[in-house]
Amino acid sequence: AQRVTQPEKLLSVFKGAPVELKCNYSYSGSPELFWYVQYSRQRLQLLLRHISRESIKGFTADLNKGETSFHLKKPFAQEEDSAMYYCARGSARQLTFGSGTQLTVLP
Amino acid sequence: DAGVIQSPRHEVTEMGQEVTLRCKPISGHNSLFWYRQTMMRGLELLIYFNNNVPIDDSGMPEDRFSAKMPNASFSTLKIQPSEPRDSAVYFCASRSQGERYTIYFGEGSWLTVV
Repeated sequence: AQRVTQPEKLLSVFKGAPVELKCNYSYSGSPELFWYVQYSRQRLQLLLRHISRESIKGFTADLNKGETSFHLKKPFAQEEDSAMYYCARGSARQLTFGSGTQLTVLP
Repeated sequence: DAGVIQSPRHEVTEMGQEVTLRCKPISGHNSLFWYRQTMMRGLELLIYFNNNVPIDDSGMPEDRFSAKMPNASFSTLKIQPSEPRDSAVYFCASRSQGERYTIYFGEGSWLTVV
């Protein structure tokens, strides 16, 4: 079974500090990986996907096949980044989500 | 487009009652997903439909849960009888045929069973 692991349920950083949300996936072929974000009481939204190699709202994520990781990073966290972040992996036309990390950016 | 529309947004019901959650996918999308979100287990896929046909229902917890998609623009998730452990946020999501994986979520139905 495909697995996506987000080891941190909760993460707090101060405004302006770098932030890294960890995501590891079970190895199998060429994975397609995504980060979704859920702001307080809102719907989940796609933040970025690894195939696009883009930066959204200052966030980037690099696929590391050697470490089977897809960590989400931002050099300078902002208070509005406080949200729930889910890493997801595509397989058999389904998305399998990690358990999520609640990020809190403190003033 | 209004996006994926779910109803009700919030429901509080007593244990043993039947609960029906509704979803209208984005027009033109041919895949529909039901997810359950809890603090303990995160986001779990319950079932997904492709062209109105259930493809994978292995995530449906037990026989008390059932889902239907009678047409391309409507789906229901039913819990009968409901139990307190069913309290969660239930998300519906849809995907277009052209997309391999990216799905679009509704705002969720917040269910509390007391």
